[in-house]
Amino acid sequence: EVVLTQSPGTLSLSPGERATLSCRASQNVINNYLAWYQQRPGQAPRLLIYSTSSRAAGIPDRFSGRGSGTDFTLTISRLEPEDFAVYYCQQYGASPFTFGPGSKVNIK
Amino acid sequence: EGQLVESGGRLVQPGGSLRLSCEASGFSFSNYWMNWVRQAPGGGLEWVSRIGSDGSSAVYADSVKGRFTTSRDNTKNTLYLQMDSLRGDDSGVYYCTRGLYFASGSYSYWGQGTLVTVSS
Repeated sequence: EVVLTQSPGTLSLSPGERATLSCRASQNVINNYLAWYQQRPGQAPRLLIYSTSSRAAGIPDRFSGRGSGTDFTLTISRLEPEDFAVYYCQQYGASPFTFGPGSKVNIK
Repeated sequence: EGQLVESGGRLVQPGGSLRLSCEASGFSFSNYWMNWVRQAPGGGLEWVSRIGSDGSSAVYADSVKGRFTTSRDNTKNTLYLQMDSLRGDDSGVYYCTRGLYFASGSYSYWGQGTLVTVSS
């Protein structure tokens, strides 16, 4: 099973600042099939990024993903108030598809 | 636009059984692999199960294998999760999800979730 580790666990930033979230896999993610989700309190997760760097429909271009192999990054270029949430990475290159533990972006 | 609506979650005693349903609309349900993902209270996301578009193949997380059964009825556009021998650590919100494309593992559609509580 591919184990995903996310860092930092919590990030405290102000609106307008840049957020950089990391996701590290215990082994290479096949085909770089790595996705990122955002979850706001009381809501279902929302797909932001798939295949490491492709934005899902309707996702603003302030969200970007990059990486390969075992190291992946989600960047939010300028935080908007609605971006303060929990972010999960997920690999879907090998079964079972696994999620990271999440990174919480707090308002500073 | 596609929509997924789960139902069936409730309080159940340890060792009990429960069947969750997920009704799909707005897309060709029979063309897509479907999944169940759960989230323990205050916890992260855990993939539970995946079923092929025609229902002929289902795979499970080790944590539920042998206790949970996923099925689907493409005539009713409905996905099911039969949960037996329930334990306390099965408690949480259960989401029905659909991939970005037919057999994709990135989930572009999520239901609102249904809450399962396993407690005496």
